[in-house]
Amino acid sequence: SQKIEQNSEALNIQEGKTATLTCNYTNYSPAYLQWYRQDPGRGPVFLLLIRENEKEKRKERLKVTFDTTLKQSLFHITASQPADSATYLCALDLYSGYSTLTFGKGTMLLVSP
Amino acid sequence: DVKVTQSSRYLVKRTGEKVFLECVQDMDHENMFWYRQDPGLGLRLIYFSYDVKMKEKGDIPEGYSVSREKKERFSLILESASTNQTSMYLCASSLEGLKVREQYFGPGTRLTVT
Repeated sequence: SQKIEQNSEALNIQEGKTATLTCNYTNYSPAYLQWYRQDPGRGPVFLLLIRENEKEKRKERLKVTFDTTLKQSLFHITASQPADSATYLCALDLYSGYSTLTFGKGTMLLVSP
Repeated sequence: DVKVTQSSRYLVKRTGEKVFLECVQDMDHENMFWYRQDPGLGLRLIYFSYDVKMKEKGDIPEGYSVSREKKERFSLILESASTNQTSMYLCASSLEGLKVREQYFGPGTRLTVT
């Protein structure tokens, strides 16, 4: 069955460092991969979308890579700030024909001052 | 900005009650979705709709039904609430098209069934 894996352990880093989060998937070839941010008690917020034919996408301090051979996406936040502390979810389109997404369980990022 | 609103932030219901969760989006999106989110299980798709009066089951539709009579509104119905339906419920919407689009989420409804 299709599976999306994100590190369940929280990632603790110091302010100013680069945070790198991982999303691995198995048994499927998604056309798109998306990253969302979720703060406690709130709905997820879309951050970035990367297509299967794109290796890398950037938006301000955010960078996403997509390696379809390794079946992995890396999400980087450079010059991290305490305000970046949140849970980050990756999502893939695992169903053909409909615009649905399947979400990973997310990784919590904690940036300390 | 896309705005997705949900009728309640917190809701407490008793076992066996019929529960309605309402979601409204203001950006003319074709697709609307209902998820539930539980610790350790992540976001799971309950139902989605790609057009008015159209609905499709997601991964966990049992115990739920939906209604979409107008494009901007998508309702989730718990016919007879049970304690295992205590959860955070999230509504989302997205544009239709030839490619998968980003989803815009509402603030969520935390439902407790006692």
